[in-house]
Amino acid sequence: DIVMTQSPDSLAVSLGERATINCKSSQSVLYNSNNLSYLAWYQHKPGQPPKLLIFWASTRDSGVPDRFSGSGSGTDFTLTISSLQAEDVAVYFCQQYYTFPTFGGGTKVEI
Amino acid sequence: EVQLLESGGGLVQPGGSLRLSCAASGFTFSRYAMSWVRQPPGKGLEWVSLIYSGGTSTYYADSVKGRFTISRDDSKNTLDLLMNSLRAEDTAVYYCAKGNNEFDSWGQGTLVTVSS
Repeated sequence: DIVMTQSPDSLAVSLGERATINCKSSQSVLYNSNNLSYLAWYQHKPGQPPKLLIFWASTRDSGVPDRFSGSGSGTDFTLTISSLQAEDVAVYFCQQYYTFPTFGGGTKVEI
Repeated sequence: EVQLLESGGGLVQPGGSLRLSCAASGFTFSRYAMSWVRQPPGKGLEWVSLIYSGGTSTYYADSVKGRFTISRDDSKNTLDLLMNSLRAEDTAVYYCAKGNNEFDSWGQGTLVTVSS
């Protein structure tokens, strides 16, 4: 299985400031034939289902605010919230789908 | 609007069985692969099982292989997960999710508790 490791486990960010979450895969999730990294990011709030934010490492899902951005390729990825809003308080997970899906342990974002 | 609604969770003794169901609406169910993903209390997400459109191809996490069976009824737009020989470590919120790569829609989840 591909192991996904996120850092940090939690972070506190002031309103309007940048939040950066890292995700590292134990092997590359880049498919060379299409140059796409099979990596997604989710936002998970208590009592709600996870919400897809980003897929193919950097493509925002429909309706996701542009303050959320994904970057990286191969084994190292980053989710950036450019200007944290109160409603962004949540746990964020990365997930690879290069093989059967596996998830990172999650990063709790607080204000 | 895509809606996924799980049901069937509850308290079950170790070694027991439970069947989860997921009712889907708002999209052409038969065209999509569907998955089950679970989250044990205080832990991260774990993919459990996947069924492709048509229902002929199914896949399972090693942790549930041989004990869980995924199925779908495209005439009723439902996804099922039959769970046998349940263990304490199967305790989790079980989510129905649309897709087999990224999961673009999720249900609210149903709690399964395995305890004596």
